[in-house]
Amino acid sequence: GQNIDQPTEMTATEGAIVQINCTYQTSGFNGLFWYQQHAGEAPTFLSYNVLDGLEEKGRFSSFLSRSKGYSYLLLKELQMKDSASYLCAVKDSNYQLIWGAGTKLIIKP
Amino acid sequence: GAVVSQHPSRVICKSGTSVKIECRSLDFQATTMFWYRQFPKQSLMLMATSNEGSKATYEQGVEKDKFLINHASLTLSTLTVTSAHPEDSSFYICSASSLPEGDQYFGPGTRLLVL
Repeated sequence: GQNIDQPTEMTATEGAIVQINCTYQTSGFNGLFWYQQHAGEAPTFLSYNVLDGLEEKGRFSSFLSRSKGYSYLLLKELQMKDSASYLCAVKDSNYQLIWGAGTKLIIKP
Repeated sequence: GAVVSQHPSRVICKSGTSVKIECRSLDFQATTMFWYRQFPKQSLMLMATSNEGSKATYEQGVEKDKFLINHASLTLSTLTVTSAHPEDSSFYICSASSLPEGDQYFGPGTRLLVL
Protein backbone atom coordinates (compact mmCIF):
# COMPACT_ATOMS: atom_id res chain seq x y z
CA GLY A 1 0.00 0.00 0.00
CA GLN A 2 0.91 3.64 -0.18
CA ASN A 3 2.07 5.35 2.96
CA ILE A 4 3.35 8.72 4.06
CA ASP A 5 4.71 9.20 7.57
CA GLN A 6 5.36 12.42 9.40
CA PRO A 7 5.42 13.27 13.10
CA THR A 8 2.06 14.11 14.64
CA GLU A 9 3.20 17.14 16.58
CA MET A 10 6.31 19.22 17.16
CA THR A 11 7.08 22.16 19.42
CA ALA A 12 9.66 24.86 18.78
CA THR A 13 10.63 28.27 20.09
CA GLU A 14 10.10 31.57 18.34
CA GLY A 15 13.25 32.56 16.43
CA ALA A 16 14.59 29.02 16.31
CA ILE A 17 14.84 26.46 13.50
CA VAL A 18 12.70 23.35 13.11
CA GLN A 19 12.89 20.42 10.70
CA ILE A 20 9.79 18.40 9.86
CA ASN A 21 10.52 15.01 8.34
CA CYS A 22 8.44 13.01 5.89
CA THR A 23 9.04 9.48 4.64
CA TYR A 24 7.02 7.94 1.87
CA GLN A 25 6.33 4.66 0.13
CA THR A 26 4.25 5.14 -2.99
CA SER A 27 3.60 3.42 -6.28
CA GLY A 28 5.67 5.70 -8.45
CA PHE A 29 6.83 9.22 -7.79
CA ASN A 30 5.99 12.42 -9.62
CA GLY A 31 6.94 14.99 -7.05
CA LEU A 32 6.59 15.82 -3.39
CA PHE A 33 4.68 18.79 -2.01
CA TRP A 34 4.63 20.58 1.31
CA TYR A 35 1.53 22.53 2.31
CA GLN A 36 0.78 24.72 5.30
CA GLN A 37 -2.67 24.57 6.84
CA HIS A 38 -3.91 26.88 9.56
CA ALA A 39 -6.80 25.65 11.66
CA GLY A 40 -10.11 25.96 9.84
CA GLU A 41 -8.49 26.95 6.57
CA ALA A 42 -7.57 25.15 3.36
CA PRO A 43 -3.97 24.14 2.67
CA THR A 44 -1.65 26.63 1.01
CA PHE A 45 1.25 25.57 -1.18
CA LEU A 46 4.76 25.89 0.25
CA SER A 47 7.13 23.88 -1.90
CA TYR A 48 7.55 21.27 -4.59
CA ASN A 49 10.48 18.87 -5.06
CA VAL A 50 10.86 16.42 -7.91
CA LEU A 51 14.67 16.18 -8.06
CA ASP A 52 17.03 15.33 -5.22
CA GLY A 53 18.41 18.22 -3.27
CA LEU A 54 17.46 21.31 -1.38
CA GLU A 55 15.01 23.96 -2.57
CA GLU A 56 15.22 27.22 -0.66
CA LYS A 57 12.49 29.80 -0.56
CA GLY A 58 12.99 32.51 1.99
CA ARG A 59 12.67 31.18 5.54
CA PHE A 60 11.45 27.81 4.25
CA SER A 61 13.53 25.11 2.58
CA SER A 62 12.57 21.64 1.42
CA PHE A 63 14.86 18.69 0.82
CA LEU A 64 14.28 15.49 -1.13
CA SER A 65 16.08 12.17 -1.39
CA ARG A 66 14.23 9.89 -3.78
CA SER A 67 16.47 6.90 -3.12
CA LYS A 68 15.62 7.10 0.58
CA GLY A 69 11.96 8.05 0.12
CA TYR A 70 12.62 10.98 2.41
CA SER A 71 11.96 14.69 2.56
CA TYR A 72 12.13 17.40 5.15
CA LEU A 73 10.78 20.91 5.50
CA LEU A 74 13.10 23.32 7.28
CA LEU A 75 11.67 26.46 8.84
CA LYS A 76 14.10 29.15 10.01
CA GLU A 77 13.62 32.22 12.18
CA LEU A 78 10.34 30.85 13.45
CA GLN A 79 7.49 33.29 13.96
CA MET A 80 4.32 32.80 15.97
CA LYS A 81 2.31 32.84 12.73
CA ASP A 82 4.14 29.68 11.65
CA SER A 83 2.04 27.74 14.15
CA ALA A 84 0.04 25.50 11.81
CA SER A 85 -0.15 21.99 10.45
CA TYR A 86 2.33 21.05 7.74
CA LEU A 87 1.20 18.46 5.23
CA CYS A 88 3.50 16.32 3.12
CA ALA A 89 1.97 14.96 -0.10
CA VAL A 90 3.39 12.80 -2.88
CA LYS A 91 2.14 12.52 -6.43
CA ASP A 92 2.12 8.86 -7.42
CA SER A 93 2.44 7.20 -10.83
CA ASN A 94 -1.19 8.10 -11.59
CA TYR A 95 -0.49 11.73 -10.66
CA GLN A 96 -2.78 11.35 -7.67
CA LEU A 97 -1.79 13.20 -4.51
CA ILE A 98 -1.23 10.93 -1.53
CA TRP A 99 -1.41 12.89 1.71
CA GLY A 100 0.36 12.48 5.01
CA ALA A 101 -1.61 13.04 8.21
CA GLY A 102 0.13 16.34 8.83
CA THR A 103 2.45 17.64 11.54
CA LYS A 104 1.04 20.15 13.99
CA LEU A 105 3.74 22.70 14.76
CA ILE A 106 3.41 24.66 17.99
CA ILE A 107 5.55 27.76 18.38
CA LYS A 108 6.25 29.02 21.88
CA PRO A 109 7.46 32.52 22.74
CA GLY B 1 -3.46 33.81 -10.66
CA ALA B 2 -4.90 30.35 -9.98
CA VAL B 3 -7.65 31.38 -7.58
CA VAL B 4 -10.31 28.91 -6.52
CA SER B 5 -13.40 29.94 -4.59
CA GLN B 6 -15.93 27.90 -2.66
CA HIS B 7 -19.44 28.79 -1.61
CA PRO B 8 -20.74 28.73 1.02
CA SER B 9 -17.85 28.99 3.44
CA ARG B 10 -19.98 27.66 6.23
CA VAL B 11 -23.38 25.97 6.33
CA ILE B 12 -25.62 24.54 9.03
CA CYS B 13 -28.46 22.27 8.00
CA LYS B 14 -30.97 19.89 9.51
CA SER B 15 -30.54 16.15 9.28
CA GLY B 16 -32.20 14.75 6.15
CA THR B 17 -31.79 17.84 4.02
CA SER B 18 -29.45 18.27 1.04
CA VAL B 19 -26.63 20.77 0.80
CA LYS B 20 -24.90 22.00 -2.34
CA ILE B 21 -21.32 23.30 -2.29
CA GLU B 22 -19.90 25.17 -5.26
CA CYS B 23 -16.28 25.25 -6.35
CA ARG B 24 -15.19 27.77 -8.96
CA SER B 25 -11.88 28.42 -10.68
CA LEU B 26 -11.83 32.19 -11.12
CA ASP B 27 -8.96 32.82 -13.49
CA PHE B 28 -8.21 29.54 -15.23
CA GLN B 29 -10.02 26.65 -16.83
CA ALA B 30 -10.13 23.66 -14.54
CA THR B 31 -10.17 20.46 -16.54
CA THR B 32 -10.06 18.47 -13.33
CA MET B 33 -11.49 19.21 -9.91
CA PHE B 34 -10.97 17.26 -6.73
CA TRP B 35 -13.20 17.05 -3.66
CA TYR B 36 -11.69 16.35 -0.26
CA ARG B 37 -13.11 15.89 3.20
CA GLN B 38 -11.20 16.58 6.37
CA PHE B 39 -12.28 15.59 9.87
CA PRO B 40 -10.81 17.40 12.88
CA LYS B 41 -7.13 16.67 13.47
CA GLN B 42 -6.99 14.40 10.43
CA SER B 43 -5.47 14.83 7.02
CA LEU B 44 -7.24 15.42 3.75
CA MET B 45 -9.20 12.48 2.38
CA LEU B 46 -9.84 12.48 -1.35
CA MET B 47 -13.51 11.79 -2.03
CA ALA B 48 -13.66 12.02 -5.80
CA THR B 49 -12.05 13.36 -8.92
CA SER B 50 -14.13 14.98 -11.61
CA ASN B 51 -13.23 15.84 -15.16
CA GLU B 52 -15.26 18.42 -17.03
CA GLY B 53 -18.09 16.85 -18.96
CA SER B 54 -17.69 13.34 -17.59
CA LYS B 55 -18.76 11.37 -14.53
CA ALA B 56 -16.77 11.71 -11.36
CA THR B 57 -14.46 8.96 -10.17
CA TYR B 58 -15.15 8.17 -6.52
CA GLU B 59 -12.65 6.82 -4.04
CA GLN B 60 -13.32 3.52 -2.35
CA GLY B 61 -15.84 3.84 0.45
CA VAL B 62 -17.40 7.09 -0.81
CA GLU B 63 -21.07 6.70 -1.71
CA LYS B 64 -21.64 8.25 -5.11
CA ASP B 65 -25.42 8.40 -4.56
CA LYS B 66 -24.92 10.36 -1.38
CA PHE B 67 -22.23 12.73 -2.61
CA LEU B 68 -23.35 13.93 -6.02
CA ILE B 69 -20.69 15.67 -8.06
CA ASN B 70 -21.34 17.69 -11.17
CA HIS B 71 -18.59 19.28 -13.28
CA ALA B 72 -20.61 20.81 -16.08
CA SER B 73 -18.21 23.59 -17.05
CA LEU B 74 -14.51 24.32 -17.00
CA THR B 75 -14.92 26.73 -14.12
CA LEU B 76 -17.55 25.15 -11.89
CA SER B 77 -17.98 21.91 -9.99
CA THR B 78 -20.63 21.22 -7.38
CA LEU B 79 -20.83 18.71 -4.56
CA THR B 80 -24.27 17.92 -3.20
CA VAL B 81 -24.52 16.09 0.09
CA THR B 82 -27.89 14.38 -0.07
CA SER B 83 -29.92 13.42 2.98
CA ALA B 84 -27.23 14.79 5.24
CA HIS B 85 -26.64 13.22 8.65
CA PRO B 86 -24.62 14.48 11.62
CA GLU B 87 -21.72 12.18 10.67
CA ASP B 88 -21.41 14.11 7.40
CA SER B 89 -20.37 17.18 9.39
CA SER B 90 -16.89 17.96 8.19
CA PHE B 91 -14.64 20.41 6.35
CA TYR B 92 -15.05 19.98 2.60
CA ILE B 93 -12.30 21.33 0.36
CA CYS B 94 -12.12 21.42 -3.40
CA SER B 95 -9.09 21.85 -5.58
CA ALA B 96 -8.78 22.53 -9.26
CA SER B 97 -6.21 21.79 -11.90
CA SER B 98 -5.88 22.82 -15.52
CA LEU B 99 -4.49 19.37 -16.33
CA PRO B 100 -5.29 15.96 -14.80
CA GLU B 101 -1.64 15.65 -13.78
CA GLY B 102 -1.15 19.34 -13.05
CA ASP B 103 -0.74 21.20 -9.79
CA GLN B 104 -3.82 21.53 -7.63
CA TYR B 105 -5.04 24.88 -6.40
CA PHE B 106 -7.22 24.73 -3.32
CA GLY B 107 -10.40 26.54 -2.46
CA PRO B 108 -10.85 27.99 1.03
CA GLY B 109 -13.07 25.12 2.18
CA THR B 110 -16.66 24.77 3.36
CA ARG B 111 -17.49 23.83 6.92
CA LEU B 112 -20.67 21.75 7.09
CA LEU B 113 -22.53 21.17 10.33
CA VAL B 114 -25.51 18.84 10.25
CA LEU B 115 -27.78 19.06 13.28
